[in-house]
Amino acid sequence: DGGITQSPKYLFRKEGQNVTLSCEQNLNHDAMYWYRQDPGQGLRLIYYSQIVNDFQKGDIAEGYSVSREKKESFPLTVTSAQKNPTAFYLCASSIAAWRSSYNSPLHFGNGTRLTVT
Amino acid sequence: DQQVKQNSPSLRVQEGRISILNCDYTNSMFDYFLWYKKYPAEGPTFLISISSIKDKNEDGRFTVFLNKSAKHLSLHIVPSQPGDSAVYFCAASGLNTDKLIFGTGTRLQVFP
Repeated sequence: DGGITQSPKYLFRKEGQNVTLSCEQNLNHDAMYWYRQDPGQGLRLIYYSQIVNDFQKGDIAEGYSVSREKKESFPLTVTSAQKNPTAFYLCASSIAAWRSSYNSPLHFGNGTRLTVT
Repeated sequence: DQQVKQNSPSLRVQEGRISILNCDYTNSMFDYFLWYKKYPAEGPTFLISISSIKDKNEDGRFTVFLNKSAKHLSLHIVPSQPGDSAVYFCAASGLNTDKLIFGTGTRLQVFP
């Protein structure tokens, strides 16, 4: 079955450490996204990538970095510069970014809950 | 600046009755709207969408209504079932953007 796999489901880190969240998709989708969910704030876009080796900042990119070396993979690194890293992180993909809302809704993974203490 | 707003953080509805979830938007360039459903500790799943050329779209128990002049859309669930208990997000996009803007979500609880 095609889908998006995020790992691990729960992640704990000490403050000051960088941590990388994995996201893999086998849907052959061009576009991939990272969202962050906080209570009462909905889903906020961190980074997105429309094609391999290209990515753009979303609304809250500060303290995060990404790479897109392969079509299937879009890892997110939460750096020590991110002031409030504890959150639920969601990865998503769509056939193509510019028409993602029209022809193919976003498909989401099941998320990674990151806790930084 | 919240371009997509869901002003009701929660809603309780009795099983069998109608659930109405509301969403308002501010950007007049938005022309496509979606509803996602999310269970705890899972990713959102797509529920239903509507283009701005329509004012209604129906899929089984789910109907989305769009009022462009009021910049308002709503999701109706009839009849509501306990399995509908989840957080519902509305999202919007437009021709001049390549990303979805999500609302803050409404938690629906359907009780027996």
